[in-house]
Amino acid sequence: DAKTTQPPSMDCAEGRAANLPCNHSTISGNEYVYWYRQIHSQGPQYIIHGLKNNETNEMASLIITEDRKSSTLILPHATLRDTAVYYCIVRDYSNTGKLIFGQGTTLQVKP
Amino acid sequence: DGGITQSPKYLFRKEGQNVTLSCEQNLNHDAMYWYRQDPGQGLRLIYYSQIVNDFQKGDIAEGYSVSREKKESFPLTVTSAQKNPTAFYLCASQPRQTNSPLHFGNGTRLTVT
Repeated sequence: DAKTTQPPSMDCAEGRAANLPCNHSTISGNEYVYWYRQIHSQGPQYIIHGLKNNETNEMASLIITEDRKSSTLILPHATLRDTAVYYCIVRDYSNTGKLIFGQGTTLQVKP
Repeated sequence: DGGITQSPKYLFRKEGQNVTLSCEQNLNHDAMYWYRQDPGQGLRLIYYSQIVNDFQKGDIAEGYSVSREKKESFPLTVTSAQKNPTAFYLCASQPRQTNSPLHFGNGTRLTVT
């Protein structure tokens, strides 16, 4: 599975959009991009995933560049409860084995 | 409600004792996973199982053992051979559709003194 690179930390003002970048320059054609978040001492929560096209659900939007080497998770109106560690992962849809998590980005939403 | 149950939430053991962490899911998922998380670190894969009676080692399997006798259960035993067992342990499951996301339990925090 391809590796991902994320900034270790980011701040965002409450009510503003939070844009979390992820670099996955070695991604292959079969690999999906997944985003999870983890609030302290809880299990990671699935947010969204995509292959090529941009995706949106009730939690967030996922923007994947045309060359698929990077993506951005967008929380449109961040709240204090969105403060968490956000993980970007890429995974081959045919690989039902390992799912490798990196260090993630700690997002701090400030009032 | 369907989900993954990890119990207990907090577990304390003396050094040299084996301890088993429970993970049960009622989501009818085929694949199950165990991860370990240390303070300020990401998740590291210990063991995973794609089907009943079969499992594979992850990146840090030494000192751990698992079984998968039932689809809904994937217990993890932390043995006395694990040199640094104190950590946060997370169980996850996934349906057969391979691009589906993982569902996680809320973890067990193990402290060994």
